[in-house]
Amino acid sequence: NAGVMQNPRHLVRRRGQEARLRCSPMKGHSHVYWYRQLPEEGLKFMVYLQKENIIDESGMPKERFSAEFPKEGPSILRIQQVVRGDSAAYFCASSPSTSGRTFFTDTQYFGPGTRLTVL
Amino acid sequence: KQEVTQIPAALSVPEGENLVLNCSFTDSAIYNLQWFRQDPGKGLTSLLLIQSSQREQTSGRLNASLDKSSGRSTLYIAASQPGDSATYLCAVNLNAGNNRKLIWGLGTSLAVNP
Repeated sequence: NAGVMQNPRHLVRRRGQEARLRCSPMKGHSHVYWYRQLPEEGLKFMVYLQKENIIDESGMPKERFSAEFPKEGPSILRIQQVVRGDSAAYFCASSPSTSGRTFFTDTQYFGPGTRLTVL
Repeated sequence: KQEVTQIPAALSVPEGENLVLNCSFTDSAIYNLQWFRQDPGKGLTSLLLIQSSQREQTSGRLNASLDKSSGRSTLYIAASQPGDSATYLCAVNLNAGNNRKLIWGLGTSLAVNP
């Protein structure tokens, strides 16, 4: 069972370009979370999605950022018109369905992250 | 607003020592608490998860305790090894219904010297 996969691992963009970060959750997981880790800062929650639904986007900047988790395919975090302040490590995590709740359904499993550098 | 604090920010110990990392949170209404390990330039590995109804969890040389009423958790590492060198992060889950986002501390950077 492959773990959470993120690609690309490293992404370089110039100011004003778009960045697309992909996250494939673990097999059988229907919940996806995105977190951002700014240099010298802690991890911050961005958005929580289930298939085709955004459950909680309270941590997403109001402009330029969007996320989706379609019925088929990976979850996408999209950043339009990137600025230097968007340079960070973006981590995706997944967890199983909440039905039949056990310890394992609450654990979030993290991908290796995408390191975005904006020039 | 929930805030998570980890003390110390950095720790350097000789190999073989037993050590304790501390995590405190301001709002005791948590659903669970997780300890993670982050290696430089890499992702996060979940080490232990403690539900709010539990007092501790153990995995190998690691033991995590939770005192929800006082807003504290500790991660105990026995017989530390150089391979334990990493940043250890504490995160609380505020779950109420569907809210499963994690609130993070800044981490403790651990160096175990051979």
